[in-house]
Amino acid sequence: EPEVTQTPSHQVTQMGQEVILRCVPISNHLYFYWYRQILGQKVEFLVSFYNNEISEKSEIFDDQFSVERPDGSNFTLKIRSTKLEDSAMYFCASSEFRQGGEQYFGPGTRLTVT
Amino acid sequence: GENVEQHPSTLSVQEGDSAVIKCTYSDSASNYFPWYKQELGKGPQLIIDIRSNVGEKKDQRIAVTLNKTAKHFSLHITETQPEDSAVYFCAANTGKLIFGQGTTLQVKP
Repeated sequence: EPEVTQTPSHQVTQMGQEVILRCVPISNHLYFYWYRQILGQKVEFLVSFYNNEISEKSEIFDDQFSVERPDGSNFTLKIRSTKLEDSAMYFCASSEFRQGGEQYFGPGTRLTVT
Repeated sequence: GENVEQHPSTLSVQEGDSAVIKCTYSDSASNYFPWYKQELGKGPQLIIDIRSNVGEKKDQRIAVTLNKTAKHFSLHITETQPEDSAVYFCAANTGKLIFGQGTTLQVKP
């Protein structure tokens, strides 16, 4: 069964450093998403991406964040200068359709900013 | 924007009993409502969903009901088993998923 994969599973970085989180969505999916989950809280939408551009972004997704699909398989989230409050689980998701399409999540990357 | 409220935050049942989790949403434009199960250290796993043109959907021991007029939807798990223990999230899809706060379900053997 196809699945979304993410690397690394755990990333530890120092405040102010740049991190890149990587995702490989399901191959025939066209819509890609990043979500964040701070420990013990609900999952929050960050950004959606379609046709090589951002479709929608939340208030959390400020200028420190960027997304890219550098090739036909990878989808990345970059945080330019990490802050302590960026510590969270980051989930990538993909779907075949936009509204009403099932979104399948990856296992997540745990980001720890020290 | 859309807001999803989920209750209860924790639910403890005996094995074999039923469990019900309820959610309400605010945006009448939402037309797709998935439920996710999240086990410790893993990503959310889609377990069942319902679209706005349907009132109820069932898949073995789990079922979901939707009342569009009242803007609420519920997850029902029958004959609960210890492996059903997890955090369950409801969501409303408006192009992006807006999640509820989650329900920690504990099934006691």
